[in-house]
Amino acid sequence: DAGITQSPRHKVTETGTPVTLRCHQTENHRYMYWYRQDPGHGLRLIHYSYGVKDTDKGEVSDGYSVSRSKTEDFLLTLESATSSQTSVYFCAISDLMGTASSYEQYFGPGTRLTVT
Amino acid sequence: AQSVTQLGSHVSVSEGALVLLRCNYSSSVPPYLFWYVQYPNQGLQLLLKYTSAATLVKGINGFEAEFKKSETSFHLTKPSAHMSDAAEYFCAVRSRGNYQLIWGAGTKLIIKP
Repeated sequence: DAGITQSPRHKVTETGTPVTLRCHQTENHRYMYWYRQDPGHGLRLIHYSYGVKDTDKGEVSDGYSVSRSKTEDFLLTLESATSSQTSVYFCAISDLMGTASSYEQYFGPGTRLTVT
Repeated sequence: AQSVTQLGSHVSVSEGALVLLRCNYSSSVPPYLFWYVQYPNQGLQLLLKYTSAATLVKGINGFEAEFKKSETSFHLTKPSAHMSDAAEYFCAVRSRGNYQLIWGAGTKLIIKP
């Protein structure tokens, strides 16, 4: 299994508070992603990173920010949590693997966030 | 823009029956294609991938998928369903020249005893 951990695994927080989720990888992959997963919506990309200090927005980035100061860590911050951000958050990593150039993604175990 | 369509948000089969989960993509150039599986309360796990080396791709747990360019399809099959196959399955596509994946909405596979 790819070495990807997410912390915390579960969190309950109140509306209006900031929250930071951490993704840590030991694979030295260049690309890292944050997704949210909600019933009926599948996986939606929040932000992604293509290197240290290089990040960009995904399709549902409003209300979220990210930082990547080291290859192994990708942080997702909810600046002021709202109930609509209650979700399961997944981190994923990818890079050029072998000769296939497929850039498949490997996922962490997820963080279940509840905003009350 | 690339898109992925998975037909059926839920598919129910009896234990021992054939599993067929459908995935169609839109692309003018054969892309990279993937199937992932997600068991309850877990992250997504790569099941198999198509990279143009072979049109019939074998994956883990007895699953396989066939790339059909003329039909722009990449359907997932398994000859005989097991109770342990109950999970949600996601199809994804990556176009050449882009490292991001485009995801289907997922299909929940239900296995009846």
